[in-house]
Amino acid sequence: EDQVTQSPEALRLQEGESSSLNCSYTVSGLRGLFWYRQDPGKGPEFLFTLYSAGEEKEKERLKATLTKKESFLHITAPKPEDSATYLCAVQAFNSVRSGGTSYGKLTFGQGTILTVHP
Amino acid sequence: GAVVSQHPSRVICKSGTSVKIECRSLDFQATTMFWYRQFPKQSLMLMATSNEGSKATYEQGVEKDKFLINHASLTLSTLTVTSAHPEDSSFYICSASPSGQGAYEQYFGPGTRLTVT
Repeated sequence: EDQVTQSPEALRLQEGESSSLNCSYTVSGLRGLFWYRQDPGKGPEFLFTLYSAGEEKEKERLKATLTKKESFLHITAPKPEDSATYLCAVQAFNSVRSGGTSYGKLTFGQGTILTVHP
Repeated sequence: GAVVSQHPSRVICKSGTSVKIECRSLDFQATTMFWYRQFPKQSLMLMATSNEGSKATYEQGVEKDKFLINHASLTLSTLTVTSAHPEDSSFYICSASPSGQGAYEQYFGPGTRLTVT
């Protein structure tokens, strides 16, 4: 069974204080690892997809990295508007059909609630 | 790009009635759409996967007759909560995966807050 564990559960930072969020996973053949941001009362917003160990992606103050066992979301010099819940999810190869038909079930972690104080 | 809408955003209904929630992919075609449920301070729980033109696949423990899913076109899926009860009150979120190989990201709608009184 695919499993995703995120840590810490909650993280409080001062504005400008860089830090990292962790996502540890076990999956039977990783197809992709996804990071989402979710604001209260809203649906998740897509941030990144990582496919193979060693891959890195950046977007503004966020940088996601991937190893064979975990992913990190690095936040550099965060601002109060970065406050949100960050969700990590994995997709296994056996959840995807061939022939152009996507199945693609995601298994989510519990999320990390990030609060950035001004 | 990759915008998904949901309607309604909030709904209050009486116990025993049925409620329909629509999920639309606005700027792409989605062979597959997903329905999730989220309780306060918890992560997303997948309820079912719907593929256009075929029956939905439900996750273990999700009642097929209670949560009816229809995916009649490549841009629309609906979730109907039948004979709703207060315990069905929750935040329901849909997602859509663009058609075609290599595109397995899921893009989420804004969610629907259901309150059953």
